[in-house]
Amino acid sequence: DTGVSQDPRHKITKRGQNVTFRCDPISEHNRLYWYRQTLGQGPEFLTYFQNEAQLEKSRLLSDRFSAERPKGSFSTLEIQRTEQGDSAMYLCASSMTRSSEQYFGPGTRLTVT
Amino acid sequence: GQNIDQPTEMTATEGAIVQINCTYQTSGFNGLFWYQQHAGEAPTFLSYNVLDGLEEKGRFSSFLSRSKGYSYLLLKELQMKDSASYLCAVFLSGGYNKLIFGAGTRLAVHP
Repeated sequence: DTGVSQDPRHKITKRGQNVTFRCDPISEHNRLYWYRQTLGQGPEFLTYFQNEAQLEKSRLLSDRFSAERPKGSFSTLEIQRTEQGDSAMYLCASSMTRSSEQYFGPGTRLTVT
Repeated sequence: GQNIDQPTEMTATEGAIVQINCTYQTSGFNGLFWYQQHAGEAPTFLSYNVLDGLEEKGRFSSFLSRSKGYSYLLLKELQMKDSASYLCAVFLSGGYNKLIFGAGTRLAVHP
């Protein structure tokens, strides 16, 4: 299966620690998106890459958050100095063209204690 | 600002038909998506409307009226496995490249 994959699936960390998540999109998709979803809410857009270029970043993404897609393939999302409010599901999605459907990965569930 | 409204919860009976409504007010519009999300899982694509009218795909249909800022998802012959959250999402235009999601409608299908 060549769907979107994310690693790890679950992460428990203590407040103040740094965490990094990885997303591998569908291989022929050059657009990659990160979203955050909390319980009972829809996904909230965080950032968007077209190939290796980060073209858009939400105001939700504080200075503690950084995302990269160094070779236009996989992407990483790092959260520094985690806070309890960062606890959420972090979803990655990819698409082939600008307005085509986005395929979501299984998500990484982050719990900050 | 961006605003997408959907009912929070709905219940229906197995075999019946249910309509989930979505209204939106967004700065730009380049299509509306419906996604299904089972608890603890990723959203999966159901439908995409960019022009007014009805799109039918098996048991699922989606309707769009751009002038009214309104869409609905119609699920026919409901099955227990249709119990899930249904997310309405608008793809913004005007140089943006992102989906704005509603909070989702939790559908419970009962025998």
